[in-house]
Amino acid sequence: DGGITQSPKYLFRKEGQNVTLSCEQNLNHDAMYWYRQDPGQGLRLIYYSQIVNDFQKGDIAEGYSVSREKKESFPLTVTSAQKNPTAFYLCASSIDSAGGGTGELFFGEGSRLTVL
Amino acid sequence: AQSVTQLDSQVPVFEEAPVELRCNYSSSVSVYLFWYVQYPNQGLQLLLKYLSGSTLVESINGFEAEFNKSQTSFHLRKPSVHISDTAEYFCAVGYSSASKIIFGSGTRLSIRP
Repeated sequence: DGGITQSPKYLFRKEGQNVTLSCEQNLNHDAMYWYRQDPGQGLRLIYYSQIVNDFQKGDIAEGYSVSREKKESFPLTVTSAQKNPTAFYLCASSIDSAGGGTGELFFGEGSRLTVL
Repeated sequence: AQSVTQLDSQVPVFEEAPVELRCNYSSSVSVYLFWYVQYPNQGLQLLLKYLSGSTLVESINGFEAEFNKSQTSFHLRKPSVHISDTAEYFCAVGYSSASKIIFGSGTRLSIRP
């Protein structure tokens, strides 16, 4: 089945540690996105990538890093510089890579990160 | 600035009652509108979308939304809700001048038997 796979589903981290969340898609989509979800705040865009080896900061990129070495993979690293990393993280992809926001987003099941 | 406003954070309704979830967006020449649904501890799924054409769009499970350009709204409605509709609903907008989709803060729909 085609779709987006995020792992791990649940992750615990001690303060000061970096952690990497995996996102893989087999939909052959050009564009991929990382969102952070907090209660009552909806989804906020962290980073997005419209093509391999290129990515742009979203609205809340501080304390996060990404890479896009392969079309199907877009891992997110939550660094120790992120002051409040406990959240639900969602990865998404879309066919649309030319801009315009017309494309439907396909989401993974999410990764819940808890900092102890 | 581009923005999406969902006016109600929570909407409690009785089963089989009608419901409307409100969504307004900041004005732009050209927009694309979406409603997504999220069940507990899951990702989001597309419920319906408006790209062009008829301003009334429908989903397969009885929801509908109407694009109102003059009021910059895209409210979601269902004439009779079921327990299975319990979820969080997100309105989202894509602007032709941007390469990303902006989400509202979500509305939690809770259905009482």
